[in-house]
Amino acid sequence: GQNIDQPTEMTATEGAIVQINCTYQTSGFNGLFWYQQHAGEAPTFLSYNVLDGLEEKGRFSSFLSRSKGYSYLLLKELQMKDSASYLCAVLDSNYQLIWGAGTKLIIKP
Amino acid sequence: NAGVTQTPKFQVLKTGQSMTLQCAQDMNHNSMYWYRQDPGMGLRLIYYSASEGTTDKGEVPDGYNVSRLKKQNFLLGLESAAPSQTSVYFCASSYSSEQSQYFGPGTRLTVL
Repeated sequence: GQNIDQPTEMTATEGAIVQINCTYQTSGFNGLFWYQQHAGEAPTFLSYNVLDGLEEKGRFSSFLSRSKGYSYLLLKELQMKDSASYLCAVLDSNYQLIWGAGTKLIIKP
Repeated sequence: NAGVTQTPKFQVLKTGQSMTLQCAQDMNHNSMYWYRQDPGMGLRLIYYSASEGTTDKGEVPDGYNVSRLKKQNFLLGLESAAPSQTSVYFCASSYSSEQSQYFGPGTRLTVL
C-alpha cells in the first residue's frame, strides 16, 4: 500500500527554527509537495522537490532524499502566522497525489 | 482573477437528499480534482478530470458522481446523501497533473 507519515503535532517558539519530517512509501515517485493549511482554510502550495537536495525559498526550505523516502520542511525565524498544518504529498507513478494527514504546528510566543 | 471558487460554502442535508457542489476556475487549467478532508486523515481524492469531457475515479468515488462539460467547471454530485459523507470538500485545479494544485475555499457539508 501507499503510505505517508508525518508527526501529528509539533510545538515551537516564535523566532526559532522547526523541522517537519515526512517519510513515504509509494508506488513510484514523481515529486514531493509541501502545502500549508491554516485552520478552516484551503491548502496553499509551499514547495516542490523532485531531485535530491535542498530547495530554499525565503524562510522556508524543503529537503528530499529519494533513496531514503524522506523529506523535511524547515521553517526559520518562526512567526505566529506560521501556526498552521503542513501537508506532505507525493506524486505517484500514476501522477496522482498521495497526501499525508498533516502536521499541526503550534507557535508559542 | 478569482482563482478557484466553490459553491455553496456550507450545506446541511438530510439522509437520502441529493445535491451538487459546484467548482469553477479561471486559470485555464486542464486538470481539476475533488477531495474530501476528514479530521485526522489526509486529503482523499474522490474524482479527477485531466481535461474537459474526461473524468476518472480516485480513491473514494462511491456515492459520488462528477461532470466536466466545460473546461472551467467541475461538478460533484451526491445522489443519496449519507452521514458518512459529512466532510469538508475541496475542489482544486492545476495546469497538468505534475504541477502544483490550487484549491478552492471548501464546502462544509453535514448530513443528518
